[in-house]
Amino acid sequence: NAGVTQTPKFQVLKTGQSMTLQCAQDMNHNSMYWYRQDPGMGLRLIYYSASEGTTDKGEVPNGYNVSRLNKREFSLRLESAAPSQTSVYFCASTTGGDGETQYFGPGTRLLVL
Amino acid sequence: QKEVEQNSGPLSVPEGAIASLNCTYSDRGSQSFFWYRQYSGKSPELIMFIYSNGDKEDGRFTAQLNKASQYVSLLIRDSQPSDSATYLCAVKSGGSYIPTFGRGTSLIVHP
Repeated sequence: NAGVTQTPKFQVLKTGQSMTLQCAQDMNHNSMYWYRQDPGMGLRLIYYSASEGTTDKGEVPNGYNVSRLNKREFSLRLESAAPSQTSVYFCASTTGGDGETQYFGPGTRLLVL
Repeated sequence: QKEVEQNSGPLSVPEGAIASLNCTYSDRGSQSFFWYRQYSGKSPELIMFIYSNGDKEDGRFTAQLNKASQYVSLLIRDSQPSDSATYLCAVKSGGSYIPTFGRGTSLIVHP
């Protein structure tokens, strides 16, 4: 049972390049989330998927797209990376509903030059 | 706009002391309250959650919830240097899929 996994662990991009961050969970969770974390800003929700087949915008969706590929996998795509997207990205999952704990992946550290 | 406020710290306590971390929230409809610990360079991990007013104890950790005053706190007894981390408070409303996180309090436990 690996929990929540993310790839890659670290990535350097040039401005304008695109990339996809991958996330997978093996806990049969319904809901999945993408956050970014910047110094002094806490965790900010980019997109979430309440259940397979649905996705919704969070607090900071601009510049990102997501795909809930199946119940296990939720990917985050940067179409044209900008330096402002330099951050640490965390994927999380929960079983959904009230009072459910979020389980976080190890994070992806992204540097956009 | 739902808000969760935490003092950013750092809160510095000596080894063996009680560390008290506080969190206030704005949404009176909040029903679930979580404390996460995040070591530097790592992802957040759950310490405890609480739903009902009062205290909930788990080992050296005690969560305290006061819905009337809209605050939740985390007490760490017999603090150890290994407790040095950032502690995130998260609050969730009934029926919502989205928790609101505070920005975290940095705790330093010095020998």
